[in-house]
Amino acid sequence: EDQVTQSPEALRLQEGESSSLNCSYTVSGLRGLFWYRQDPGKGPEFLFTLYSAGEEKEKERLKATLTKKESFLHITAPKPEDSATYLCAVQDTGTASKLTFGTGTRLQVTL
Amino acid sequence: DAMVIQNPRYQVTQFGKPVTLSCSQTLNHNVMYWYQQKSSQAPKLLFHYYDKDFNNEADTPDNFQSRRPNTSFCFLDIRSPGLGDAAMYLCATSREGHEQYFGPGTRLTVT
Repeated sequence: EDQVTQSPEALRLQEGESSSLNCSYTVSGLRGLFWYRQDPGKGPEFLFTLYSAGEEKEKERLKATLTKKESFLHITAPKPEDSATYLCAVQDTGTASKLTFGTGTRLQVTL
Repeated sequence: DAMVIQNPRYQVTQFGKPVTLSCSQTLNHNVMYWYQQKSSQAPKLLFHYYDKDFNNEADTPDNFQSRRPNTSFCFLDIRSPGLGDAAMYLCATSREGHEQYFGPGTRLTVT
């Protein structure tokens, strides 16, 4: 059974204080790893897809990286508008389009 | 803009009174999903359609049904809502094997 574990559960940063969120996963075969951002009371917003170890993707202050066992979402010089829950999900080669989600990291960025 | 639309955004129903949630998409994606998300939890897949093929998750209660009359629309029917069914219901779409795009969700309250 596919499993996704995200840490920490919650993270509080000051504006400009860079940090990383972790996503550890176990799958029989990784088809893709996905990062989403979810604001309170809204649906998840797609950020990145990573397909193979060593791959990196960047968008503004966010950078996602992938190894064979985990993924990191690096946040550089965050701003208060980066405050949200960040969800990680994996897609197994054996389950076509289905995703298995982690419970997320709740990020709060303060002034 | 291409998007996933859910109606209503907020739904209040009485215990045992059937309710239908709707989802439409302008992305022309062939796969549509319904998730249930409770507070601070990961989205839980209820079922998905690959074109017209219906795929039910093993642990989805019989109380939950779905219809997909055409490519653009999908419905979630809860036949006899219980207090435990209060949650955010998320609709998502994708091309097979690619990232999923989520709607804004419907917040269901059961009184």
